[in-house]
Amino acid sequence: QQQVKQSPQSLIVQKGGISIINCAYENTAFDYFPWYQQFPGKGPALLIAIRPDVSEKKEGRFTISFNKSAKQFSLHIMDSQPGDSATYFCAASKHGAQKLVFGQGTRLTINP
Amino acid sequence: NAGVTQTPKFQVLKTGQSMTLQCAQDMNHNSMYWYRQDPGMGLRLIYYSASEGTTDKGEVPNGYNVSRLNKREFSLRLESAAPSQTSVYFCASMSHLEQPQHFGDGTRLSIL
Repeated sequence: QQQVKQSPQSLIVQKGGISIINCAYENTAFDYFPWYQQFPGKGPALLIAIRPDVSEKKEGRFTISFNKSAKQFSLHIMDSQPGDSATYFCAASKHGAQKLVFGQGTRLTINP
Repeated sequence: NAGVTQTPKFQVLKTGQSMTLQCAQDMNHNSMYWYRQDPGMGLRLIYYSASEGTTDKGEVPNGYNVSRLNKREFSLRLESAAPSQTSVYFCASMSHLEQPQHFGDGTRLSIL
């Protein structure tokens, strides 16, 4: 039962462009939405996270946009750089819950 | 700070062999997790432990057992390995009810 659906599976963007990855969730009880970044041979690491009381959160070149009514959230990477090439996972959890539900992942390649 | 340490990093097994994957964290976290990562499937939770002395099944527990040896260590055992268990296994830990989860660098397991 896939509760968080992520798209696209892979994405190629030119250096300096905007990378956009989308996620949709089903469970309206979810109230924590993180994005994890994973480089080859490494474990995922938290990149940025949002709670549903705000519609957008920005940290440097990375922005999460959140649409509660549509049950969707997305990651925008501005001025994408080759060093951003990695696999990105969205996830969701409920307040007080021990578990995260992950999306399928997006392999992002930034061409120089 | 080591964070979350997984051993071994790589392993090749034959069908039917048994093996224990080790995980240790030095962040004094209460919760620990085991995931498997497969292409196009994201990260799927196998088992987790909310605190020392407790373990619970995740999404894909069949064929696996776990032991929360103490607060620091959480091991994953394959009693009779099958080719379908070929995957990359990640251990993670989290402070009680406080995201994010912190991941190790994974164990790459191939079963022939």
